[in-house]
Amino acid sequence: KNEVEQSPQNLTAQEGEFITINCSYSVGISALHWLQQHPGGGIVSLFMLSSGKKKHGRLIATINIQEKHSSLHITASHPRDSAVYICAVRQETSGSRLTFGEGTQLTVNP
Amino acid sequence: DGGITQSPKYLFRKEGQNVTLSCEQNLNHDAMYWYRQDPGQGLRLIYYSQIVNDFQKGDIAEGYSVSREKKESFPLTVTSAQKNPTAFYLCASSINGGRAGNEQFFGPGTRLTVL
Repeated sequence: KNEVEQSPQNLTAQEGEFITINCSYSVGISALHWLQQHPGGGIVSLFMLSSGKKKHGRLIATINIQEKHSSLHITASHPRDSAVYICAVRQETSGSRLTFGEGTQLTVNP
Repeated sequence: DGGITQSPKYLFRKEGQNVTLSCEQNLNHDAMYWYRQDPGQGLRLIYYSQIVNDFQKGDIAEGYSVSREKKESFPLTVTSAQKNPTAFYLCASSINGGRAGNEQFFGPGTRLTVL
């Protein structure tokens, strides 16, 4: 079993829909990251959080440390949101090293 | 503009040849990382360096080598000992390698294909 599990693996939505991507982890962490990878391969950091909730534009990330679970929400989804979304955790004992989930492929159709 | 550059974007090599992937950053970051990405799998850490002239093996270091002679450069050599080198390689950096909570910044990646 992977230390970081994401669901779903693939998600197709219609433009305007509210989207949720989930991430569960089985280790103690100091921080959790949400990353976005576009078809060209480059990765952009969306959020880094260790508690509570963060919001940036139409993106919202939440984390529940007790339940070892995080969610990434996209409101009013748009075709340009189509990308792979990756959850990564910084384990308490690993300094700055990250452990990555397999990613969720999101496709938003017009 | 500050950032991380990787070159080339696409690289083709014959089986049995060593190949070196470039990673340069002008962010003045101490720590740098090399990851490998395969279809259907999460990124896996190959090597990382917390400071110049020092580096450590990651989870899949076999068949790879690195150097960190300059703060801004962390080249990765894929040797002929790497049994399945065809993959997408990503370089990243962070301000400090030892402290938790530092964000990692990623380069655009190099797609290596071994023929």
